[in-house]
Amino acid sequence: NAGVTQTPKFQVLKTGQSMTLQCAQDMNHEYMSWYRQDPGMGLRLIHYSVGAGITDQGEVPNGYNVSRSTTEDFPLRLLSAAPSQTSVYFCASRRAGPSYNEQFFGPGTRLTVL
Amino acid sequence: AQKITQTQPGMFVQEKEAVTLDCTYDTSDQSYGLFWYKQPSSGEMIFLIYQGSYDEQNATEGRYSLNFQKARKSANLVISASQLGDSAMYFCAMIRPGGVFGQGTRLTINP
Repeated sequence: NAGVTQTPKFQVLKTGQSMTLQCAQDMNHEYMSWYRQDPGMGLRLIHYSVGAGITDQGEVPNGYNVSRSTTEDFPLRLLSAAPSQTSVYFCASRRAGPSYNEQFFGPGTRLTVL
Repeated sequence: AQKITQTQPGMFVQEKEAVTLDCTYDTSDQSYGLFWYKQPSSGEMIFLIYQGSYDEQNATEGRYSLNFQKARKSANLVISASQLGDSAMYFCAMIRPGGVFGQGTRLTINP
């Protein structure tokens, strides 16, 4: 049981490049989310999904796309990277249902945009 | 919309003392849950404790307890007998399918 996995761990991009951050979970969780964490700050929600085929925007969705074709995978796409997207990105998952269900986090991807 | 406010950017505490980290929240939901997470310098997010809005008792998990005052919309984390390993960032959050997090409090335990 690997939990929530994210690849890559580190990435450096040039302004204007595109890339996909990968996220997978093996716990059969319905809910998955992407957050970004800027230095010294809390986590801000980018996009989330309540099940395969269903996604919605969070607080800071601009510049990012997501899709959820399977329960396990929830990739985050940066369309045209900008220096303002330099951040640590966390993927998380939790089971649907009662509010006490814990949210499990991946180890994070540290992204630098030059 | 939901909002989480943590008003203490940094806290310094002597080892073995108790410490309270403040969290206030705003939501229009009748049923909700509040979570506390610890983020050490290594960066991972570690779940500490959960409090449900309809729970009659304050949550406790080992040295962690939650001082939940629903009318004041506050959910403060209390760490008893602090240890050097408690030095970390602490986040209060409200999580539905996606989550809303506070800005965090950096706790430093001094020997």
